[in-house]
This record gives sequence, C-alpha cells and structure tokens, in this order.
Amino acid sequence: GAVVSQHPSRVICKSGTSVKIECRSLDFQATTMFWYRQFPKQSLMLMATSNEGSKATYEQGVEKDKFLINHASLTLSTLTVTSAHPEDSSFYICSARGGLEAGGPRDEQFFGPGTRLTVL
Amino acid sequence: GQNIDQPTEMTATEGAIVQINCTYQTSGFNGLFWYQQHAGEAPTFLSYNVLDGLEEKGRFSSFLSRSKGYSYLLLKELQMKDSASYLCAAWDSNYQLIWGAGTKLIIKP
Repeated sequence: GAVVSQHPSRVICKSGTSVKIECRSLDFQATTMFWYRQFPKQSLMLMATSNEGSKATYEQGVEKDKFLINHASLTLSTLTVTSAHPEDSSFYICSARGGLEAGGPRDEQFFGPGTRLTVL
Repeated sequence: GQNIDQPTEMTATEGAIVQINCTYQTSGFNGLFWYQQHAGEAPTFLSYNVLDGLEEKGRFSSFLSRSKGYSYLLLKELQMKDSASYLCAAWDSNYQLIWGAGTKLIIKP
C-alpha cells in the first residue's frame, strides 16, 4: 500500500510558540490531503481538506488563522499551529488521497502515523 | 444530517469470534471502510465494501447491506493483539469520509 509519513512524531512546546507538522506521501502523488485532530477516546475530527496549489477548506469551528495549511506540492502538506495553547494539545493525523495507482480502492485515503502535540 | 453509529466498547475472549456492528446515514454513499487503531497510533486500513455481501480477508471479514445502511466487521480466532479501537467510516456522495466514534475492543485471556 501507499506510504504517508509525518514529522515530527512527537513535539512538546511552550505556550505561545508555533509548531509546524509535515505530511508527505512517499510513493504516490496526493492531489488531496486531509488534516485530522483526535482527542483521547474520541474519533477523528476532520479539520481541513487541502488540494495541491489551492487554499485549504476548513471545517466549521476550525480557525484558519490558527491552523495554517500549505499544500505546495503533490507530495507535501504542512500544518502550522500558530500561538499554540495547552488546549491545542492533541494527536494530529494527516491522510493523503491518491488515484488508482495507489493500490487501494478508488481514491482511498492513506494515513500518516500521527503527531502527538503537547503544549505546556 | 450524516451519522455513523457503532458500539462504544465490546469485550471478547481470546480465540473467540466477535462482530462489531455499524449503521450509517449519509448523503449519498460510495463505500464503507473499517480501520483498526491502536492506542496512540494512526488508523490502519482493514477493509472496504461498496457492494452488498461479505468480504473475507484472513481472520477479518466485513459485511455490507446498503439497503439497511448496515455493516459489520467480524473478527475470528481473536488474539490479544486485536485489542484496539475499530473505526467505521463511510464515503458520502462527495467522497468525504464520515467517521464513527470507534468501538474499543477488549480481549481477555
């Protein structure tokens, strides 16, 4: 199956700092990437959908100025949590959607391993 | 609205069989996924059904009834490593994934 990587896997930062998380599709071109947040014992919550070369579409209730998403190429999307606060501490997961060449069902999403963000 | 329902938690015994049910209501339907998620890790793909019927893949099988808006994941010969959350997700008409809250499966020896 297709491989999606995320970096870093864990990050601890001070309140007020900004944190950038990278999501890369390693062996396929991802025309669409999704960013999710997951709190303990809860399901994945879609934050935004980004298409390469265009602005991300944010879900209701997600602040676009706080969670900056850049999808500059077909293999890389970044999520920047600006001025992080303790309530932003969460598990952030990206997924990438490729085409038939990715090997799964049509346009299946492939998930990265996730990034655990802890804001002190 | 769009909704996915699945039990919050289930308990089963090692070596036994367990069935995790999922019902969905979506705007259009383009298939249903089952994912496994171990604590602290991202989900991993288990199965995809778009046609009615049973799909078998080793110890795991997934069933879909589109007319009933219903799916189940069947796990046989349970192993301790199967302890995880199992997420049901459906594609709506725009190929957006609608997620269930997950079923935490606890395997006892």
